[in-house]
Amino acid sequence: AQSVTQLGSHVSVSEGALVLLRCNYSSSVPPYLFWYVQYPNQGLQLLLKYTTGATLVKGINGFEAEFKKSETSFHLTKPSAHMSDAAEYFCAFNTGGFKTIFGAGTRLFVKA
Amino acid sequence: DVKVTQSSRYLVKRTGEKVFLECVQDMDHENMFWYRQDPGLGLRLIYFSYDVKMKEKGDIPEGYSVSREKKERFSLILESASTNQTSMYLCASSPQGAGYGYTFGSGTRLTVV
Repeated sequence: AQSVTQLGSHVSVSEGALVLLRCNYSSSVPPYLFWYVQYPNQGLQLLLKYTTGATLVKGINGFEAEFKKSETSFHLTKPSAHMSDAAEYFCAFNTGGFKTIFGAGTRLFVKA
Repeated sequence: DVKVTQSSRYLVKRTGEKVFLECVQDMDHENMFWYRQDPGLGLRLIYFSYDVKMKEKGDIPEGYSVSREKKERFSLILESASTNQTSMYLCASSPQGAGYGYTFGSGTRLTVV
């Protein structure tokens, strides 16, 4: 069955530290991969996506993610966390149909 | 700025009421979706539509129905609201094709008492 797993429901980092949010997917066909961010009491906003081509993709707010087919992973990183990055982050994938499968989400806390 | 607009941010309804959640997008997108979001469960797809008057069940359609009479509008209907339908409801839209990603509305937090 197709699924996406986000390791860690909560991640806490200090301001200025590296942000690493982990995502692994399970799919028998090449996927389209996405990261979304959700701020409190808001909808989700697309951060970045991988479709084809370069496996390192850059998104908004300084985030980037690397598609590693051999590891079936699409981890999200940011070199230096900012207080405004505190939010919930969702990894998602689609294999070409109408339905996108979302992970359960990782809440990022940023400590001053 | 492109938008998906959900008619209500907060809604309180009584058990047994018929509830309508409205969603309008201004991007001429073909696809529209309704999700519910619950803590620890992520987003679960209720229904989606890929064209006017077309609808498909998602993973948790029980107790819900939808209507899409115009391309820009996708309505979610709770036929007889129950307390286990208390949740955050998110509408999204996307162009035709799987690689575009979704544009989401701000959500409607529904409480059924």
